[in-house]
Amino acid sequence: RKEVEQDPGPFNVPEGATVAFNCTYSNSASQSFFWYRQDCRKEPKLLMSVYSSGNEDGRFTAQLNRASQYISLLIRDSKLSDSATYLCVVEGGGGNKLTFGTGTQLKVEL
Amino acid sequence: EPEVTQTPSHQVTQMGQEVILRCVPISNHLYFYWYRQILGQKVEFLVSFYNNEISEKSEIFDDQFSVERPDGSNFTLKIRSTKLEDSAMYFCASSETVGRTDTQYFGPGTRLTVL
Repeated sequence: RKEVEQDPGPFNVPEGATVAFNCTYSNSASQSFFWYRQDCRKEPKLLMSVYSSGNEDGRFTAQLNRASQYISLLIRDSKLSDSATYLCVVEGGGGNKLTFGTGTQLKVEL
Repeated sequence: EPEVTQTPSHQVTQMGQEVILRCVPISNHLYFYWYRQILGQKVEFLVSFYNNEISEKSEIFDDQFSVERPDGSNFTLKIRSTKLEDSAMYFCASSETVGRTDTQYFGPGTRLTVL
């Protein structure tokens, strides 16, 4: 099983749509969870941390289910500028290294 | 807003040559990292560095790689004898702390091309 697994997409959605991404991770000892965003040939940028209680930042909502080792990201009212690759990232299990998924590509269209 | 900087943005080298990639982490950060991303693949951890020593390294980080903090601001990655498969984007990152409150901030990357 891959350490962090994501559907690569692409997800092609119209502007204004709601889109959800899922991610599973294999290391049950993982401590911290994040969604990063990566634009083409650019560095990963932190979108949001993910907590067990769930957290929301504007149009973005992240959820963590530790029992199922599952992380989700919901984007509401998609904008053209949301087009990017969304990286599910897990930290921990003894160190502070980040383990990345392969990313899910989102294309928001007019 | 403080940011991680990296130089050069693009490095082209011949196979077998040594390269040094440079990074300036955010000034109050204590933890430093190198990651790489081969074109079309996922971001992979190479090494973490704290208190002037390596705290963790991956299988990729073999004897050809080394890291150093030569002064109070720079953090470098050296590849002693480059191979074709070292061609990738190399990202430096830094964080103030580790654990639940840790956020790693990434630099813009150095694209390394080995010919």
